[in-house]
Amino acid sequence: GESVGLHLPTLSVQEGDNSIINCAYSNSASDYFIWYKQESGKGPQFIIDIRSNMDKRQGQRVTVLLNKTVKHLSLQIAATQPGDSAVYFCAESEGNKLVFGAGTILRVKS
Amino acid sequence: GAVVSQHPSWVICKSGTSVKIECRSLDFQATTMFWYRQFPKQSLMLMATSNEGSKATYEQGVEKDKFLINHASLTLSTLTVTSAHPEDSSFYICSARGLSGGGNTGELFFGEGSRLTVL
Repeated sequence: GESVGLHLPTLSVQEGDNSIINCAYSNSASDYFIWYKQESGKGPQFIIDIRSNMDKRQGQRVTVLLNKTVKHLSLQIAATQPGDSAVYFCAESEGNKLVFGAGTILRVKS
Repeated sequence: GAVVSQHPSWVICKSGTSVKIECRSLDFQATTMFWYRQFPKQSLMLMATSNEGSKATYEQGVEKDKFLINHASLTLSTLTVTSAHPEDSSFYICSARGLSGGGNTGELFFGEGSRLTVL
C-alpha cells in the first residue's frame, strides 16, 4: 500500500509554547485519520482522530487540522508540557487497517 | 478503557531459536488483531492482519513461514518468530479491534509492545 511519510524529524519547543506537528499522507482515498503518541518503549496511545468530511477537530489541548487538497494533517498542542515529549505518528485508515506515518519526535525544553 | 496485553514485554534469545509473543484483549473480544514491527527511530510497519478462526493476511514482503500468526480465540493472538536471527530484533506491537468496533479504526487498542533481541 501507499506509505505515509518516511522520515523521523525532531521538533524542539519551549515549555508553554504551542507545538505544531505535520504529516503528509499519500492515499487520497483515505477517509479517516488518527494521531498517536508513543513514549519510549511503549505502544501507541490514541490522541485524536478526524474524518475526511471535517477540516478541524479539537480535543483537550490538542487540535487536528486536515487539508485534503494537499493531503496534509497537522496536530497542534497548546501550552506544551514536558510530559508531551514523545514521538507522534499520524495514521490513515486503508480499509480495515491503519498505515502509520514516519513520526515526529517532540522534545520539550524546560 | 479497553486493555490489550502483550507478553513477554521483552525477550532475548539465541540465533536460530523460535520465540512466541502473545497478545490478549483483557476486557473485550477481538475479532481482528494486527501485528506491527517497529525498528529504532522508525515508524510502525504492519506485518499482518489476524482474524479469529482464519488464516492471517500478511503484508507484502513479510514471510508468513517465518512469522507465524495464530488467532485461535477472540481474546488471544500469537506471533511466533521462527528461526530468529539478529535482523529480527525489533519492537513488536499488536493491536486489537472489538466486536462492536465496526469500521471505526479509532477503536483499535494497542498493546505495550514486546522487544525482541536476537543474539
